[in-house]
Amino acid sequence: GESVGLHLPTLSVQEGDNSIINCAYSNSASDYFIWYKQESGKGPQFIIDIRSNMDKRQGQRVTVLLNKTVKHLSLQIAATQPGDSAVYFCAETQGSSNTGKLIFGQGTTLQVKP
Amino acid sequence: DTAVSQTPKYLVTQMGNDKSIKCEQNLGHDTMYWYKQDSKKFLKIMFSYNNKELIINETVPNRFSPKSPDKAHLNLHINSLELGDSAVYFCASSAVQETQYFGPGTRLLVL
Repeated sequence: GESVGLHLPTLSVQEGDNSIINCAYSNSASDYFIWYKQESGKGPQFIIDIRSNMDKRQGQRVTVLLNKTVKHLSLQIAATQPGDSAVYFCAETQGSSNTGKLIFGQGTTLQVKP
Repeated sequence: DTAVSQTPKYLVTQMGNDKSIKCEQNLGHDTMYWYKQDSKKFLKIMFSYNNKELIINETVPNRFSPKSPDKAHLNLHINSLELGDSAVYFCASSAVQETQYFGPGTRLLVL
Protein backbone atom coordinates (compact mmCIF):
# COMPACT_ATOMS: atom_id res chain seq x y z
CA GLY A 1 0.00 0.00 0.00
CA GLU A 2 1.01 3.63 -0.13
CA SER A 3 3.40 4.75 2.55
CA VAL A 4 6.04 7.26 3.27
CA GLY A 5 8.37 6.27 6.05
CA LEU A 6 11.26 7.66 7.99
CA HIS A 7 14.20 5.59 9.08
CA LEU A 8 14.57 6.94 12.63
CA PRO A 9 11.96 8.29 15.02
CA THR A 10 14.45 10.48 16.93
CA LEU A 11 17.73 12.10 15.94
CA SER A 12 19.93 13.79 18.52
CA VAL A 13 22.75 16.07 17.34
CA GLN A 14 25.16 18.50 18.87
CA GLU A 15 24.66 22.19 18.13
CA GLY A 16 26.80 23.16 15.18
CA ASP A 17 26.88 19.68 13.68
CA ASN A 18 25.14 18.74 10.46
CA SER A 19 21.89 16.76 10.63
CA ILE A 20 20.61 14.26 8.10
CA ILE A 21 17.02 13.10 8.23
CA ASN A 22 16.00 10.28 5.93
CA CYS A 23 12.77 9.27 4.30
CA ALA A 24 11.73 6.34 2.13
CA TYR A 25 8.69 6.36 -0.10
CA SER A 26 6.97 3.51 -1.86
CA ASN A 27 5.18 4.97 -4.87
CA SER A 28 7.42 5.45 -7.88
CA ALA A 29 4.71 7.59 -9.47
CA SER A 30 5.22 10.31 -6.86
CA ASP A 31 6.56 13.43 -8.49
CA TYR A 32 6.69 16.10 -5.82
CA PHE A 33 8.26 15.88 -2.37
CA ILE A 34 8.20 18.29 0.51
CA TRP A 35 9.86 18.60 3.88
CA TYR A 36 7.93 20.19 6.71
CA LYS A 37 9.06 21.25 10.17
CA GLN A 38 6.61 21.12 13.03
CA GLU A 39 7.46 22.84 16.30
CA SER A 40 5.60 22.00 19.45
CA GLY A 41 2.09 23.41 19.43
CA LYS A 42 2.31 24.70 15.87
CA GLY A 43 1.30 23.65 12.41
CA PRO A 44 3.70 22.09 9.88
CA GLN A 45 5.90 24.72 8.28
CA PHE A 46 7.24 24.35 4.75
CA ILE A 47 11.03 23.99 4.61
CA ILE A 48 11.96 22.90 1.11
CA ASP A 49 10.57 20.92 -1.79
CA ILE A 50 11.87 19.02 -4.77
CA ARG A 51 10.30 17.68 -7.93
CA SER A 52 11.11 14.33 -9.46
CA ASN A 53 13.08 15.87 -12.33
CA MET A 54 15.73 17.01 -9.84
CA ASP A 55 18.21 15.15 -7.63
CA LYS A 56 19.19 17.96 -5.30
CA ARG A 57 17.90 21.28 -4.17
CA GLN A 58 19.45 23.73 -1.75
CA GLY A 59 17.96 26.34 0.50
CA GLN A 60 19.30 28.36 3.34
CA ARG A 61 21.22 25.82 5.48
CA VAL A 62 19.04 23.01 4.13
CA THR A 63 19.53 20.63 1.24
CA VAL A 64 17.13 18.00 -0.03
CA LEU A 65 18.41 14.99 -1.94
CA LEU A 66 16.20 12.72 -4.00
CA ASN A 67 17.24 9.26 -5.13
CA LYS A 68 14.47 7.94 -7.34
CA THR A 69 16.26 4.66 -7.97
CA VAL A 70 15.89 3.58 -4.36
CA LYS A 71 12.94 5.85 -3.59
CA HIS A 72 14.80 7.74 -0.90
CA LEU A 73 14.65 11.35 0.22
CA SER A 74 16.88 13.11 2.70
CA LEU A 75 17.01 16.47 4.41
CA GLN A 76 20.37 17.85 5.40
CA ILE A 77 20.59 20.72 7.86
CA ALA A 78 23.93 22.45 8.09
CA ALA A 79 25.26 23.86 11.37
CA THR A 80 22.23 22.70 13.33
CA GLN A 81 20.90 25.24 15.82
CA PRO A 82 18.69 24.86 18.90
CA GLY A 83 15.88 26.47 16.91
CA ASP A 84 15.98 23.52 14.54
CA SER A 85 14.61 21.26 17.27
CA ALA A 86 11.25 20.03 15.98
CA VAL A 87 9.53 17.12 14.28
CA TYR A 88 10.38 16.84 10.60
CA PHE A 89 8.02 15.27 8.10
CA CYS A 90 8.56 14.26 4.53
CA ALA A 91 5.53 14.23 2.29
CA GLU A 92 4.81 13.24 -1.28
CA THR A 93 2.14 13.75 -3.86
CA GLN A 94 1.12 10.69 -5.80
CA GLY A 95 0.03 10.25 -9.34
CA SER A 96 -0.68 12.86 -11.94
CA SER A 97 -3.96 14.09 -10.53
CA ASN A 98 -4.40 17.68 -9.47
CA THR A 99 -5.94 16.81 -6.12
CA GLY A 100 -2.83 17.85 -4.23
CA LYS A 101 -3.20 14.88 -1.92
CA LEU A 102 -0.13 14.72 0.33
CA ILE A 103 1.00 11.49 1.95
CA PHE A 104 3.01 12.19 5.09
CA GLY A 105 5.69 10.11 6.72
CA GLN A 106 5.61 9.44 10.44
CA GLY A 107 8.01 12.19 11.43
CA THR A 108 11.51 12.35 12.89
CA THR A 109 12.10 14.28 16.08
CA LEU A 110 15.29 16.30 15.90
CA GLN A 111 16.84 17.14 19.26
CA VAL A 112 19.67 19.64 19.28
CA LYS A 113 21.99 19.49 22.28
CA PRO A 114 23.69 22.75 23.26
CA ASP B 1 -0.71 38.84 8.29
CA THR B 2 -1.75 35.31 9.21
CA ALA B 3 -1.89 33.30 6.00
CA VAL B 4 -3.99 30.36 7.21
CA SER B 5 -5.97 30.85 10.39
CA GLN B 6 -8.17 28.48 12.36
CA THR B 7 -10.63 28.95 15.19
CA PRO B 8 -10.83 27.85 17.86
CA LYS B 9 -7.31 26.87 18.87
CA TYR B 10 -8.60 24.59 21.62
CA LEU B 11 -11.91 22.78 21.79
CA VAL B 12 -12.97 20.63 24.73
CA THR B 13 -16.38 19.02 24.52
CA GLN B 14 -18.50 16.08 25.62
CA MET B 15 -19.19 12.94 23.62
CA GLY B 16 -22.25 13.26 21.45
CA ASN B 17 -21.96 17.01 20.94
CA ASP B 18 -21.76 18.76 17.57
CA LYS B 19 -18.94 21.21 16.95
CA SER B 20 -17.45 23.27 14.14
CA ILE B 21 -13.93 24.41 13.33
CA LYS B 22 -13.39 27.35 11.02
CA CYS B 23 -10.55 28.00 8.61
CA GLU B 24 -9.69 31.02 6.53
CA GLN B 25 -6.81 31.72 4.18
CA ASN B 26 -5.75 35.05 2.71
CA LEU B 27 -3.25 33.64 0.22
CA GLY B 28 -5.61 33.66 -2.72
CA HIS B 29 -5.30 29.88 -3.07
CA ASP B 30 -7.92 27.84 -4.86
CA THR B 31 -7.48 24.66 -2.85
CA MET B 32 -8.02 24.05 0.86
CA TYR B 33 -7.59 20.94 2.96
CA TRP B 34 -8.34 19.39 6.33
CA TYR B 35 -5.85 17.06 7.98
CA LYS B 36 -6.05 15.09 11.21
CA GLN B 37 -2.98 14.54 13.38
CA ASP B 38 -3.24 11.77 15.92
CA SER B 39 -1.46 11.37 19.24
CA LYS B 40 1.52 9.78 17.48
CA LYS B 41 1.90 12.84 15.27
CA PHE B 42 0.72 11.01 12.17
CA LEU B 43 -0.83 13.45 9.67
CA LYS B 44 -3.54 12.21 7.36
CA ILE B 45 -5.61 14.09 4.85
CA MET B 46 -9.37 14.13 5.37
CA PHE B 47 -10.79 16.43 2.71
CA SER B 48 -9.79 18.88 0.05
CA TYR B 49 -11.81 21.48 -1.79
CA ASN B 50 -10.94 23.26 -4.99
CA ASN B 51 -12.92 26.41 -5.70
CA LYS B 52 -15.63 25.28 -3.28
CA GLU B 53 -15.87 21.85 -4.90
CA LEU B 54 -15.06 18.67 -2.95
CA ILE B 55 -12.05 16.95 -4.50
CA ILE B 56 -10.85 14.50 -1.84
CA ASN B 57 -12.87 12.63 0.75
CA GLU B 58 -10.63 10.10 2.43
CA THR B 59 -13.13 7.62 3.83
CA VAL B 60 -13.91 9.93 6.68
CA PRO B 61 -17.07 9.08 8.68
CA ASN B 62 -20.05 11.03 7.47
CA ARG B 63 -20.26 12.64 10.89
CA PHE B 64 -17.59 14.94 9.45
CA SER B 65 -18.95 17.46 6.96
CA PRO B 66 -16.75 20.11 5.39
CA LYS B 67 -18.34 23.25 4.05
CA SER B 68 -16.77 25.85 1.82
CA PRO B 69 -18.84 29.05 1.60
CA ASP B 70 -16.19 30.61 -0.64
CA LYS B 71 -12.72 29.68 -1.76
CA ALA B 72 -11.09 31.49 1.16
CA HIS B 73 -12.96 29.50 3.80
CA LEU B 74 -13.27 25.82 4.60
CA ASN B 75 -15.11 24.88 7.76
CA LEU B 76 -15.34 21.47 9.37
CA HIS B 77 -18.48 20.39 11.18
CA ILE B 78 -18.45 17.28 13.32
CA ASN B 79 -21.64 15.64 14.52
CA SER B 80 -22.03 13.25 17.45
CA LEU B 81 -18.46 13.57 18.61
CA GLU B 82 -16.69 10.40 19.76
CA LEU B 83 -13.66 9.86 21.97
CA GLY B 84 -11.64 8.77 18.94
CA ASP B 85 -12.17 12.16 17.33
CA SER B 86 -9.75 13.68 19.83
CA ALA B 87 -6.82 14.92 17.76
CA VAL B 88 -5.30 18.04 16.29
CA TYR B 89 -7.02 19.20 13.12
CA PHE B 90 -5.08 21.25 10.62
CA CYS B 91 -6.37 23.32 7.78
CA ALA B 92 -4.09 23.98 4.80
CA SER B 93 -4.27 25.75 1.48
CA SER B 94 -2.36 25.75 -1.76
CA ALA B 95 -2.38 26.76 -5.36
CA VAL B 96 -3.01 23.75 -7.62
CA GLN B 97 -0.17 21.21 -7.33
CA GLU B 98 1.88 23.64 -5.29
CA THR B 99 3.11 23.77 -1.71
CA GLN B 100 0.51 23.45 1.00
CA TYR B 101 0.59 25.96 3.83
CA PHE B 102 -0.82 24.92 7.16
CA GLY B 103 -2.76 26.70 9.85
CA PRO B 104 -1.84 26.56 13.56
CA GLY B 105 -4.19 23.68 14.31
CA THR B 106 -7.25 23.09 16.48
CA ARG B 107 -6.75 20.80 19.44
CA LEU B 108 -9.95 18.85 19.97
CA LEU B 109 -10.48 16.88 23.15
CA VAL B 110 -13.63 14.81 23.48
CA LEU B 111 -14.49 13.76 27.03
